[in-house]
Amino acid sequence: EAQVTQNPRYLITVTGKKLTVTCSQNMNHEYMSWYRQDPGLGLRQIYYSMNVEVTDKGDVPEGYKVSRKEKRNFPLILESPSPNQTSLYFCASSRLVAGVPYEQYFGPGTRLTVT
Amino acid sequence: GDSVTQMEGPVTLSEEAFLTINCTYTATGYPSLFWYVQYPGEGLQLLLKATKADDKGSNKGFEATYRKETTSFHLEKGSVQVSDSAVYFCALVLGGSQGNLIFGKGTKLSVKP
Repeated sequence: EAQVTQNPRYLITVTGKKLTVTCSQNMNHEYMSWYRQDPGLGLRQIYYSMNVEVTDKGDVPEGYKVSRKEKRNFPLILESPSPNQTSLYFCASSRLVAGVPYEQYFGPGTRLTVT
Repeated sequence: GDSVTQMEGPVTLSEEAFLTINCTYTATGYPSLFWYVQYPGEGLQLLLKATKADDKGSNKGFEATYRKETTSFHLEKGSVQVSDSAVYFCALVLGGSQGNLIFGKGTKLSVKP
């Protein structure tokens, strides 16, 4: 089954404790991306990757890191989480058509709470 | 900068009513346009798309037409069902080296039996 998986689905942590949210896709997609969803703000892109070893900042990259060492995986790293990073996070992947990520497939989401 | 504006919700309709959710965009280039749907507790799913002016995307009874002259991509359905209750997001993506998807803030639809 074609899918994007994220782990963990729920996470409660404390300020400053490093954490990683994993994302994996089994569709051989070139493009992967991370979004955060907050009430009243919709979805905002954090980072995206057009291919292995190619990553770029989205609209709200501060406080986050990513890596793309393998095509299927795109982990999101919070080196020193803060309460304003409490949010619902989605990973997505897509094939590229003429450089455009059509038909993004989204993971189920990770609800992160930073106290 | 590039942006997407959707009508604010929530929108509450009775079953079998006609649905319109307005979406307009601002873009420096020629974007592709999308509607995504998020059912309660789930991730987003692509509902329909249009890649150039005058294209009509359609799926599950929903339709939207890419109107370049009015920079709009309004979502319509002739007869909504309770199962259509969800949050709907309009989005655009520009080609070239940018590659990032820009979303509207979402419109929550509730359909009552």
